[in-house]
Amino acid sequence: LAKTTQPISMDSYEGQEVNITCSHNNIATNDYITWYQQFPSQGPRFIIQGYKTKVTNEVASLFIPADRKSSTLSLPRVSLSDTAVYYCLVGYSTLTFGKGTMLLVSP
Amino acid sequence: GAGVSQSPSNKVTEKGKDVELRCDPISGHTALYWYRQRLGQGLEFLIYFQGNSAPDKSGLPSDRFSAERTGESVSTLTIQRTQQEDSAVYLCASSLDTGFLSYEQYFGPGTRLTVT
Repeated sequence: LAKTTQPISMDSYEGQEVNITCSHNNIATNDYITWYQQFPSQGPRFIIQGYKTKVTNEVASLFIPADRKSSTLSLPRVSLSDTAVYYCLVGYSTLTFGKGTMLLVSP
Repeated sequence: GAGVSQSPSNKVTEKGKDVELRCDPISGHTALYWYRQRLGQGLEFLIYFQGNSAPDKSGLPSDRFSAERTGESVSTLTIQRTQQEDSAVYLCASSLDTGFLSYEQYFGPGTRLTVT
């Protein structure tokens, strides 16, 4: 099981770009990297998934270097509603979300 | 279309009682997952179903926990002889298949269980 490490919390202001980096040194060849977002009192919501290089969707971008030992979730021009916990997931077996990164966006 | 639904939304029970938590996945989703989230903690994987079968039950915390799925649809998570440490939000998710990380998981709103 690939363990992930990400910052416990991050602060930002509206309109800024936020980058959250996740370390996963033991990632396996078959593993994808997936990010979820969770608001208080709600279940997590899928944001983005990738295997290597860069993936972009309408919500975020995911940057994965060639060695795949880390990944960076990039949120462009955050708003107050982006305040949430962001989870980085890697691995196929017993799936543990970990504590995630609490992003607080201020006016 | 309808998302994942869970019932009850809240459950308060006395220590030692049994509880049943229900999950209705999105129609057509073959995979179903149960997670537990304690206050201020991340999600802890409990069990997943591919169809009506549960290939991996290793995440269940103890033999007091069991789950079943019927008709490749509804799933029930049962906790026997509840303990205070069982207090948590129990989340259910479903996806098209069980490539955990290849298929997006859609989560329900959760059941908040409080054991007094």
